[in-house]
Amino acid sequence: DAEITQSPRHKITETGRQVTLACHQTWNHNNMFWYRQDLGHGLRLIHYSYGVQDTNKGEVSDGYSVSRSNTEDLPLTLESAASSQTSVYFCASSLDRGMNTEAFFGQGTRLTVV
Amino acid sequence: GENVEQHPSTLSVQEGDSAVIKCTYSDSASNYFPWYKQELGKRPQLIIDIRSNVGEKKDQRIAVTLNKTAKHFSLHITETQPEDSAVYFCAASWGSQGNLIFGKGTKLSVKP
Repeated sequence: DAEITQSPRHKITETGRQVTLACHQTWNHNNMFWYRQDLGHGLRLIHYSYGVQDTNKGEVSDGYSVSRSNTEDLPLTLESAASSQTSVYFCASSLDRGMNTEAFFGQGTRLTVV
Repeated sequence: GENVEQHPSTLSVQEGDSAVIKCTYSDSASNYFPWYKQELGKRPQLIIDIRSNVGEKKDQRIAVTLNKTAKHFSLHITETQPEDSAVYFCAASWGSQGNLIFGKGTKLSVKP
């Protein structure tokens, strides 16, 4: 079955380290998204991509970067981890506009920055 | 860009009662409005959605209504059950490729 998976599920890292969270989908969806979830803030968009070599900043993009070298993967990199980036991170994917734009979410990655 | 406001932030009902969660959006160009349910420790999952050319949609005990003029939409759950307890998120599609902006969520508790 097609799916979207994130790894790792849990990560503890130190302040200042570079961290990369992986997201892989097998639906062949063009659209991929990264959200962070914090209590009281809901799901906030970090970065998104509409296709290979396309990346865009969301509402909370500072300190994060993404790259899209193929359809299946959108890794999220924290350039220099900060305690404020402790959060649960969700990756999602969806079909193009004009079709079913339901977003399917990965299982989430709980990141702790100490 | 789009902004989505969701109310209330918490909602407690007795089993069998109805629950209503309301959202407003700012971008009149938004055309897709999904609702997601997130159980504790799980991923958000779509429970119902509505498009801007429809005013109401039902799926068993769940319904969503959309008022485009007022730019608000609501989730209605009837005959609530304990397994309906979860956090519910509304969202609005923004941008040319169905980019979703979410409300802050409503924690629904259904008491037996």
